[in-house]
Amino acid sequence: DSGVTQTPKHLITATGQRVTLRCSPRSGDLSVYWYQQSLDQGLQFLIQYYNGEERAKGNILERFSAQQFPDLHSELNLSSLELGDSALYFCASSVGTGAPHEQFFGPGTRLTVL
Amino acid sequence: DAKTTQPPSMDCAEGRAANLPCNHSTISGNEYVYWYRQIHSQGPQYIIHGLKNNETNEMASLIITEDRKSSTLILPHATLRDTAVYYCIVRAPNAGGTSYGKLTFGQGTILTVHP
Repeated sequence: DSGVTQTPKHLITATGQRVTLRCSPRSGDLSVYWYQQSLDQGLQFLIQYYNGEERAKGNILERFSAQQFPDLHSELNLSSLELGDSALYFCASSVGTGAPHEQFFGPGTRLTVL
Repeated sequence: DAKTTQPPSMDCAEGRAANLPCNHSTISGNEYVYWYRQIHSQGPQYIIHGLKNNETNEMASLIITEDRKSSTLILPHATLRDTAVYYCIVRAPNAGGTSYGKLTFGQGTILTVHP
């Protein structure tokens, strides 16, 4: 158990819909990262927040957005969903940002878009 | 962040040491070497990291060559539960810009531990 929690575990929805994925970081961790893992793209970095502020963006679509709240939990919002958005979405947290701080990953949310 | 090269797959007998190599010939002086593994769609699990010196923890040992262009992750007594995809990642300290803090995962090495 990494100490990072993600809800829900599974999500099945239809194209065009909007969903929200939630992540609670480990106690004391200020950084939250979101990653997407699809069969054809592998594990890809989406976005990072540090203490409530956006710090880095990867290949995150404009239809996707995220935020980190004052209690440090984070939400990833996916809208106008397409079939290709079906993937595992992982959240990770770390004390700081960049090396040498290791990231600890949650169990993931499996999103299926039908 | 420097690019890494790993063999796509490796086999190991249960109870034997598993030695997973990684090449990172373009590594910069301030970049760390990290190892993560992912067991069948679970969240990636941090294993170990190092800068210059060899490192050991309860899970594994990390051997970094003197020129830092390659490294080896050693699982001293592999078990069936060690079957996973192992990722070698090179990562800079607070680099700023768009690469700030992220991990860049390649294809990794699929390690299969046999009974």
